[in-house]
Amino acid sequence: KAGVTQTPRYLIKTRGQQVTLSCSPISGHRSVSWYQQTPGQGLQFLFEYFSETQRNKGNFPGRFSGRQFSNSRSEMNVSTLELGDSALYLCASSLAGGRGSPLHFGNGTRLTVT
Amino acid sequence: GENVEQHPSTLSVQEGDSAVIKCTYSDSASNYFPWYKQELGKGPQLIIDIRSNVGEKKDQRIAVTLNKTAKHFSLHITETQPEDSAVYFCAARSSLNEKLTFGTGTRLTIIP
Repeated sequence: KAGVTQTPRYLIKTRGQQVTLSCSPISGHRSVSWYQQTPGQGLQFLFEYFSETQRNKGNFPGRFSGRQFSNSRSEMNVSTLELGDSALYLCASSLAGGRGSPLHFGNGTRLTVT
Repeated sequence: GENVEQHPSTLSVQEGDSAVIKCTYSDSASNYFPWYKQELGKGPQLIIDIRSNVGEKKDQRIAVTLNKTAKHFSLHITETQPEDSAVYFCAARSSLNEKLTFGTGTRLTIIP
């Protein structure tokens, strides 16, 4: 079974630009969560989608948004990029989101904002 | 919200010895506690998890213990091997909002 796939693996953007990251969950998984990982803040929860609906949201500004498609694939968008947005963005899928379903992570997209 | 503290931040262990990583959580409604291993250039990989109705769980060289009263849980790795070197994260999920909150990570180094 293929794991969680994130594209692209690396991105370099300029401050003020916007970026879209993509995530394909494990086949059959209906929940997709996004996390931001930085050396200073660790793993911070961004949001979770289940059946195309945002079910949970972390404490990030509105510049961070996401969506999920009918095939469970998800995209995350960051607008008006800031230097502090440089991070590893991780996507994780699970069968049913919370309710005790384990999260399975992809290898992430490394975003560098210059 | 939930707060998860993890100690130590770095740990060096001689190959063959045991390693212990400890975490405490604040939300008494948390009921699911996974542990992840993250190797360089990769995403976190689930290695073991435990639910609040269980006190201990073992999988070969890895074990996790949970003390609900004290709100802490620990990861135990026995007979450590060089491939155990990685960053380990604990996490806790609240039954109220289903969010998974991570600890700050422990960099484990196995000395050959």
